[in-house]
Amino acid sequence: DAGITQSPRYKITETGRQVTLMCHQTWSHSYMFWYRQDLGHGLRLIYYSAAADITDKGEVPDGYVVSRSKTENFPLTLESATRSQTSVYFCASTGEQYFGPGTRLTVT
Amino acid sequence: GQNIDQPTEMTATEGAIVQINCTYQTSGFNGLFWYQQHAGEAPTFLSYNVLDGLEEKGRFSSFLSRSKGYSYLLLKELQMKDSASYLCAVRDSNYQLIWGAGTKLIIKP
Repeated sequence: DAGITQSPRYKITETGRQVTLMCHQTWSHSYMFWYRQDLGHGLRLIYYSAAADITDKGEVPDGYVVSRSKTENFPLTLESATRSQTSVYFCASTGEQYFGPGTRLTVT
Repeated sequence: GQNIDQPTEMTATEGAIVQINCTYQTSGFNGLFWYQQHAGEAPTFLSYNVLDGLEEKGRFSSFLSRSKGYSYLLLKELQMKDSASYLCAVRDSNYQLIWGAGTKLIIKP
């Protein structure tokens, strides 16, 4: 089915581990975004990408790395996970922001 | 700085009308968005306003006044399924979305 998918949907990891969250879209949208959502905060932009091989920092990029070698994929990597990165992560595409289902990440 | 303000929580009765307000101060303005987010789910797009005035879409309407930095989302004929959080977001001069913290709407029978 066409759309935007994220994997895994749930992840528990330990402090200091590297973890990668995957995002895949089938629409060939140019723009893709990574957000985190925490209680009491609005959605906060981590990184975004205007096209393959073009990425830029958002509001809260520290501790995260992204890549975009293909238009349809936009993985987000936490290089050394910290407890403060426990959150729900959403991937989105285009200007109107079609969202994936989210990944609930817990760092212990 | 950039700021989006919405009420934290509102309560309304099934069948009634509710208005959710959003005020904003951003560096530039390239449109205002409203999203609905049910608990445990992703936000879904509801409406987009870039010019002043009212946009109607079924039971939902959204209003924008750029001079006042103000928008509202109007929900009519409320149904229990409308219980959700409603997120206001403004696209700034860098074409990034700045998000409010959301308004949790509770519908009572």
